[in-house]
Amino acid sequence: NAGVTQTPKFQVLKTGQSMTLQCAQDMNHNSMYWYRQDPGMGLRLIYYSASEGTTDKGEVPNGYNVSRLNKREFSLRLESAAPSQTSVYFCASMLTGHTPGNTIYFGEGSWLTVV
Amino acid sequence: GQQLNQSPQSMFIQEGEDVSMNCTSSSIFNTWLWYKQDPGEGPVLLIALYKAGELTSNGRLTAQFGITRKDSFLNISASIPSDVGIYFCAGRSNAGGTSYGKLTFGQGTILTVHP
Repeated sequence: NAGVTQTPKFQVLKTGQSMTLQCAQDMNHNSMYWYRQDPGMGLRLIYYSASEGTTDKGEVPNGYNVSRLNKREFSLRLESAAPSQTSVYFCASMLTGHTPGNTIYFGEGSWLTVV
Repeated sequence: GQQLNQSPQSMFIQEGEDVSMNCTSSSIFNTWLWYKQDPGEGPVLLIALYKAGELTSNGRLTAQFGITRKDSFLNISASIPSDVGIYFCAGRSNAGGTSYGKLTFGQGTILTVHP
């Protein structure tokens, strides 16, 4: 039972470098999300994809881009990393629709440090 | 945007004590969720609430969906050392359109249990 898998687990970047966080889910969920977690801030939504082929900005999208490659995969890209993007990043997925009982499942997190 | 205030921010308790934490919102939610995050892991769902006034238990955990739909609480009875972690509330609004499925998270409650 893989659930939501994200890579890499840890990464250190220099300011200005680019990188892509990969995420895949095997639960046939239609919606996928990228959150960042900072101390005292909870989880804040960066971008989400309600279905394959669509992406929308969340609460804190600046400095990020996303790609919904197919139904399984949703990647997050930092084009020019900044120290303010040092954070823990979580990918998540959910089966959405008209059923209120569906819940969101998280990956294990990616620890990113920008120096 | 929607705001969730979660309190307390942290708790230090003795093993065996009961714990209570709550979340309040500036707007109405249709679903309240409670998650626990262990160190180095992603959040894991503990309890989901779908109806105003609903009281749901999961072992030693009990959560309630407030009548006003703007608040929720989580109680943990007879705490044990493995209860240590960060607890998050999350609310979801079925406002329709692109907002469906997006969660708003509280800032988290850090729980420490002393043996």
